[in-house]
Amino acid sequence: ETGVTQTPRHLVMGMTNKKSLKCEQHLGHNAMYWYKQSAKKPLELMFVYNFKEQTENNSVPSRFSPECPNSSHLFLHLHTLQPEDSALYLCASSQEETGGTDTQYFGPGTRLTVL
Amino acid sequence: AQSVTQLGSHVSVSEGALVLLRCNYSSSVPPYLFWYVQYPNQGLQLLLKYTSAATLVKGINGFEAEFKKSETSFHLTKPSAHMSDAAEYFCAVRETGANNLFFGTGTRLTVIP
Repeated sequence: ETGVTQTPRHLVMGMTNKKSLKCEQHLGHNAMYWYKQSAKKPLELMFVYNFKEQTENNSVPSRFSPECPNSSHLFLHLHTLQPEDSALYLCASSQEETGGTDTQYFGPGTRLTVL
Repeated sequence: AQSVTQLGSHVSVSEGALVLLRCNYSSSVPPYLFWYVQYPNQGLQLLLKYTSAATLVKGINGFEAEFKKSETSFHLTKPSAHMSDAAEYFCAVRETGANNLFFGTGTRLTVIP
């Protein structure tokens, strides 16, 4: 595997379900990100982890819970979601989260549908 | 706060024609600027980035963009469109010293044979 991988690619869940999204990067990077991509809206940064420590939480509802056990893996735990949470969830990684010119490398995303 | 405006949510060009995708940003200081491309069912891929070196930046697949401070613009161009260029293009900005990458709403490029 190369680059940034995400599983599952598609997920349909009910509002009472609990599920998790997984992201893995094979680039030796130290920073990882979760973004939400909704139709006709800019990508929204949700969480940032730098060297496994959460450095950014953009006022994301608590029904989204991130976990970063090591620099290569990032999870997004989901529970009691709402239909408006349906979107494409993108994971990205970069060498480090310095606010500079670091390039972020994106995974293919998980298309989430909440019924 | 940073913001990015991409004029035209949908642009259509004929194969072989010039591609011009517009991006304007708001920032009090020159930021770092990025263009990403997203093909169907894929994540975002970096096309090019401006890092305060040369104002004309060349990227992959024949794309380039010019940073114009006076116009707060970073438009993306390609002299001759290929069918394979059909995708969604996102402009993004990061202020120097800041962490967040702010994205525009994207422009979907259609290439007509």
